[in-house]
Amino acid sequence: QKEVEQDPGPLSVPEGAIVSLNCTYSNSAFQYFMWYRQYSRKGPELLMYTYSSGNKEDGRFTAQVDKSSKYISLFIRDSQPSDSATYLCAVSRQLTFGSGTQLTVLP
Amino acid sequence: DAGITQSPRHKVTETGTPVTLRCHQTENHRYMYWYRQDPGHGLRLIHYSYGVKDTDKGEVSDGYSVSRSKTEDFLLTLESATSSQTSVYFCAISEGGQVTYTQYFGPGTRLTVL
Repeated sequence: QKEVEQDPGPLSVPEGAIVSLNCTYSNSAFQYFMWYRQYSRKGPELLMYTYSSGNKEDGRFTAQVDKSSKYISLFIRDSQPSDSATYLCAVSRQLTFGSGTQLTVLP
Repeated sequence: DAGITQSPRHKVTETGTPVTLRCHQTENHRYMYWYRQDPGHGLRLIHYSYGVKDTDKGEVSDGYSVSRSKTEDFLLTLESATSSQTSVYFCAISEGGQVTYTQYFGPGTRLTVL
């Protein structure tokens, strides 16, 4: 079993939609949870990180961690074409990455 | 890109040849990392460094070696490239000493081994 599982998509939504991206992880000891965004042919960039459980909000983005079910989510409100990218979740201090979900927001 | 450059940005080479990729940072960060990215696998850690001459293996280190003789440079070497090493290679740094979970990535090197 992979340490982090992520639905690869692709996911296509209309502009303005709410997007939900999800990952599951296997090790209950993980405490650090990150979301990275990667535009085509670029390096990943850190989008959000959370420590332990709960929600964290930053503008249109909300990261959510449910440690009881080992489930992490990223919500994007009012999605924009500029949000079209691959989103990677990552866990633990020594990062283990999901395989990424390719998102396209259609104008 | 947090002051990270990678060279070369693209390389095509033949099976069996040695290849060295360079990562250069300008901000004196202690931790540096090399990842490879392949479809369906996400980013996988090859090697990392926690200081000059201090390195350790990651998840997929077989066939790769690294060196760090200066804080600013972290080199990844494929001693004898194979087609399975065709990939996009990313260097990353993390800030703040032991804080390794927030990493900043370079622009990547696209390597093709024929």
